[in-house]
Amino acid sequence: GENVEQHPSTLSVQEGDSAVIKCTYSDSASNYFPWYKQELGKGPQLIIDIRSNVGEKKDQRIAVTLNKTAKHFSLHITETQPEDSAVYFCAASWSSGYSTLTFGKGTMLLVSP
Amino acid sequence: GAGVSQTPSNKVTEKGKYVELRCDPISGHTALYWYRQSLGQGPEFLIYFQGTGAADDSGLPNDRFFAVRPEGSVSTLKIQRTERGDSAVYLCASSRAAGELREQYFGPGTRLTVT
Repeated sequence: GENVEQHPSTLSVQEGDSAVIKCTYSDSASNYFPWYKQELGKGPQLIIDIRSNVGEKKDQRIAVTLNKTAKHFSLHITETQPEDSAVYFCAASWSSGYSTLTFGKGTMLLVSP
Repeated sequence: GAGVSQTPSNKVTEKGKYVELRCDPISGHTALYWYRQSLGQGPEFLIYFQGTGAADDSGLPNDRFFAVRPEGSVSTLKIQRTERGDSAVYLCASSRAAGELREQYFGPGTRLTVT
């Protein structure tokens, strides 16, 4: 089955800096890669996703890049703010009519004012 | 609009007891997923429903776990003879349909503690 590795496990940045979280996946058939933000005591919130037919997607301060050849994808957050502090999860899935997500172990991002 | 809701938010039970966890998906979403999240880990897939039927239950850890979705909307995850190792946050997610539109939206989860 699919295996997703995520790095780093923790990331501390100063407000205004950029943050990058990286994931690798094992199944070359995977074609959908969402990112979730999870705040303490809450469920994961979808923040951005990318499908295998594109290499990059951007939404305001967040962007995701995908390298299918190397089987890795990354989340980029620019101009970080304290409210970006949370645990971020990457995930991968492939569609055979539905998409069970395989998650990484998460990255705890701490943005200091 | 309303998101995915889960009840109860917290459940404490004694080892050996039976528990039911409820999920109410986003209205109109036909696909429903259950995941389990242990402390410090990402969610792990348990079971997927398309409509009323369990299309994939390969993630259920053993036969003490069972889930139903009798009318294609609300789902209940049932755990028999609970064990301390079952303690985790149980997350439910729904999506509009299988196939191309596959964004999954999660509920807040039910934190299950088995003492």
